[in-house]
Amino acid sequence: DAKTTQPNSMESNEEEPVHLPCNHSTISGTDYIHWYRQLPSQGPEYVIHGLTSNVNNRMASLAIAEDRKSSTLILHRATLRDAAVYYCILRDAYNTDKLIFGTGTRLQVFP
Amino acid sequence: DVKVTQSSRYLVKRTGEKVFLECVQDMDHENMFWYRQDPGLGLRLIYFSYDVKMKEKGDIPEGYSVSREKKERFSLILESASTNQTSMYLCASSYGPGDHGEKLFFGSGTQLSVL
Repeated sequence: DAKTTQPNSMESNEEEPVHLPCNHSTISGTDYIHWYRQLPSQGPEYVIHGLTSNVNNRMASLAIAEDRKSSTLILHRATLRDAAVYYCILRDAYNTDKLIFGTGTRLQVFP
Repeated sequence: DVKVTQSSRYLVKRTGEKVFLECVQDMDHENMFWYRQDPGLGLRLIYFSYDVKMKEKGDIPEGYSVSREKKERFSLILESASTNQTSMYLCASSYGPGDHGEKLFFGSGTQLSVL
């Protein structure tokens, strides 16, 4: 399975944009890029996913590099409720439906 | 909203006991998964199931088994609990094969302590 690399932790102030990077240099053409986040004392929740093009939804934006070897999750205005561990995951479309999680990035948001 | 319910939030068991962790989803999902989460190791996949009575090993199946007799229910079984199985256990479900962008829906987790 292709692996992802994320910083262990990041910090942000409330109301500021946050850019969470993810490197996936061994990504294959059939791998989708998924992002999940885990709030304290909860299970992970889906944030966003994409294949080649940038994606937007109500929670976040996903910017994918042209060579697909990296991506960035963008929270446009961080709130205290965005403090969580964010996981960047590659999902092989032709292998199985399982997701392999890494250790993620712990985001702290300060008032 | 999709709901994935794990039967216990906290569980304390003794070494050697047989332990059942239950998970139920209410959205007719075909796929169900069991992960464990440990500090510094992230989430690791134990077992998953594509359909009733079907199961596949994940990355760390040793010491565990699973049961899926009904579509909505996926049980994780520790035949003889050991202290190294103390962990947070997370159940998840998803719609089914073919939709490569599908989301996983997670339960809130069961914190198991084996003494």
